[in-house]
Amino acid sequence: SAVISQKPSRDICQRGTSLTIQCQVDSQVTMMFWYRQQPGQSLTLIATANQGSEATYESGFVIDKFPISRPNLTFSTLTVSNMSPEDSSIYLCSLGSYNEQFFGPGTRLTVL
Amino acid sequence: AQKITQTQPGMFVQEKEAVTLDCTYDTSDPSYGLFWYKQPSSGEMIFLIYQGSYDQQNATEGRYSLNFQKARKSANLVISASQLGDSAMYFCAMREASLGYSTLTFGKGTMLLVSP
Repeated sequence: SAVISQKPSRDICQRGTSLTIQCQVDSQVTMMFWYRQQPGQSLTLIATANQGSEATYESGFVIDKFPISRPNLTFSTLTVSNMSPEDSSIYLCSLGSYNEQFFGPGTRLTVL
Repeated sequence: AQKITQTQPGMFVQEKEAVTLDCTYDTSDPSYGLFWYKQPSSGEMIFLIYQGSYDQQNATEGRYSLNFQKARKSANLVISASQLGDSAMYFCAMREASLGYSTLTFGKGTMLLVSP
């Protein structure tokens, strides 16, 4: 399975600021996914990021709030913009095929 | 309607015993896959096991097995010989071919506590 790393592992931010989360994979992948896990909740897909095209966002998530970059086949970033305490969550990048799906270690974000 | 239902918010088991975590799903897509994940307190999501809708046999991975009952739309995870390190949150998830295999839909999870 691919090795997925994320930076930062955790952060505490002030409301109104933005944070960019990086996801690095040790092999080339076509599709990368970004998920959010709010406290005590399950995981929700934010968007799918394909290299060379605009990310596809799920209902309830918009590009202005969660801009995503995918400059190459091993790297992606997710920015959480104009943060509020409701954005406090674990953010996870993910990749996989039809019969397996792996997640990065997650970024634990707290917004004060 | 919820696509993935995990009815057990919490489960307790003694070390070395077997435990079954329930998962039922709802889909009209004939092609789908079911996943189980373990999430310890560290927050990482650890992939445990996969079952495809067309797989004839129940999936097994070490101490983990999936009791797949297609007609009942259930995909229960069985952990044999529980260990203290199995204490964690467990999530069932589904991927449907009609959604282009791009989305995993998760259940709300079951917290498993293993006691000595």
